Amino acid sequence: AQSVTQPDIHITVSEGASLELRCNYSYGATPYLFWYVQSPGQGLQLLLKYFSGDTLVQGIKGFEAEFKRSQSSFNLRKPSVHWSDAAEYFCASRFTGGGNKLTFGTGTQLKVEL
Amino acid sequence: DAGVIQSPRHEVTEMGQEVTLRCKPISGHNSLFWYRQTMMRGLELLIYFNNNVPIDDSGMPEDRFSAKMPNASFSTLKIQPSEPRDSAVYFCASSFVSRGLRGPSYEQYFGPGTRLTVT
Repeated sequence: AQSVTQPDIHITVSEGASLELRCNYSYGATPYLFWYVQSPGQGLQLLLKYFSGDTLVQGIKGFEAEFKRSQSSFNLRKPSVHWSDAAEYFCASRFTGGGNKLTFGTGTQLKVEL
Repeated sequence: DAGVIQSPRHEVTEMGQEVTLRCKPISGHNSLFWYRQTMMRGLELLIYFNNNVPIDDSGMPEDRFSAKMPNASFSTLKIQPSEPRDSAVYFCASSFVSRGLRGPSYEQYFGPGTRLTVT
């Protein structure tokens, strides 16, 4: 079955440190890829998306993600984390033949230490 | 842009009662999705509509759940009768599947959710 894997359930980083959240997808063909962020008590907000073209995509709030076909990965990065980045992050993909729906990973909870 | 609007934001009800959750998608969007989020099962897609027509309801847990989209600007998710295990946050999301110069886009925009507690 097509799936999106986020291997890290929890990550803790210090404020100002760099961040990388991992995401792998199971399907061989190039899907549509997304990262969302969910703050406590809120809905999911789109951070960035990849469809095709440049494999390094920029998003809001200083985040970026890089698509690596050879590794079936779409990792999210930020050079310097702020305390306000503490939230849950979801990777998602639309797979070929999947209609309009997205498949979400199980999420990574980010804690930022001051 | 008002974004996706959901009501109510919080609902507390007793087991056996009927619950109706409401969603107004972003104007012009042609797909609507209902999700449920719990600590145990994470984010689950319940059902989605394209152009007001249900396309995939394989995530609807059982016959107690039903969803309708009578027009492009309104959808409901109904639980009858409700049970304590239905307690969760229910999200509505919408998207506009456009075919731009770079191909279709499928990003979804989420509402703030309805926190349902069934006692």
